[in-house]
Amino acid sequence: SAVISQKPSRDICQRGTSLTIQCQVDSQVTMMFWYRQQPGQSLTLIATANQGSEATYESGFVIDKFPISRPNLTFSTLTVSNMSPEDSSIYLCSVLAPGGGADTQYFGPGTRLTVL
Amino acid sequence: GEDVEQSLFLSVREGDSSVINCTYTDSSSTYLYWYKQEPGAGLQLLTYIFSNMDMKQDQRLTVLLNKKDKHLSLRIADTQTGDSAIYFCAETIGGGGNKLTFGTGTQLKVEL
Repeated sequence: SAVISQKPSRDICQRGTSLTIQCQVDSQVTMMFWYRQQPGQSLTLIATANQGSEATYESGFVIDKFPISRPNLTFSTLTVSNMSPEDSSIYLCSVLAPGGGADTQYFGPGTRLTVL
Repeated sequence: GEDVEQSLFLSVREGDSSVINCTYTDSSSTYLYWYKQEPGAGLQLLTYIFSNMDMKQDQRLTVLLNKKDKHLSLRIADTQTGDSAIYFCAETIGGGGNKLTFGTGTQLKVEL
């Protein structure tokens, strides 16, 4: 398994500003992922962040809006740029780690973002 | 396309069994997972099952997979108030845990 922390745990931001969310894992992992969970909804994958290469974005998400950094095997950041109230969500990072015979995704506690 | 459906809400009495159901459409799923999300928290991995299995038991949890009907269920025995949460099933296609597709989530409420 893996222990994952995220900062900040929550934030309230003004429209038009940007917020960078940090994700730290306690072991080296190849693959990290960023998800968005809109209020009352399920999780949607934003992008896959691999160390040493550009992030791979899912349909509907673009690098200009959600730039991602992955400087090493234990850390990643997601920036939510030029925020609007529609960006109010929980943002979760996850990592792919061994667990009981299969690589599985373990999730951080999430960052609860409210945009006014 | 990939679509994972769950019923939205389930209410049970403490001590009873809970059964949370999930249907998926992609027959090439390799692993199927159950995650638990408590209020204000992230997702906790509960268990997973490989697609060539039809049952997996882990303490109070039993996972049943009917691959023909593309139906997955999670049974929680002796449900406790601490089990109240939202439960998500998720599937992956291909090897390992890449690109999870999550279900809509089932909110389980355990009543005294």
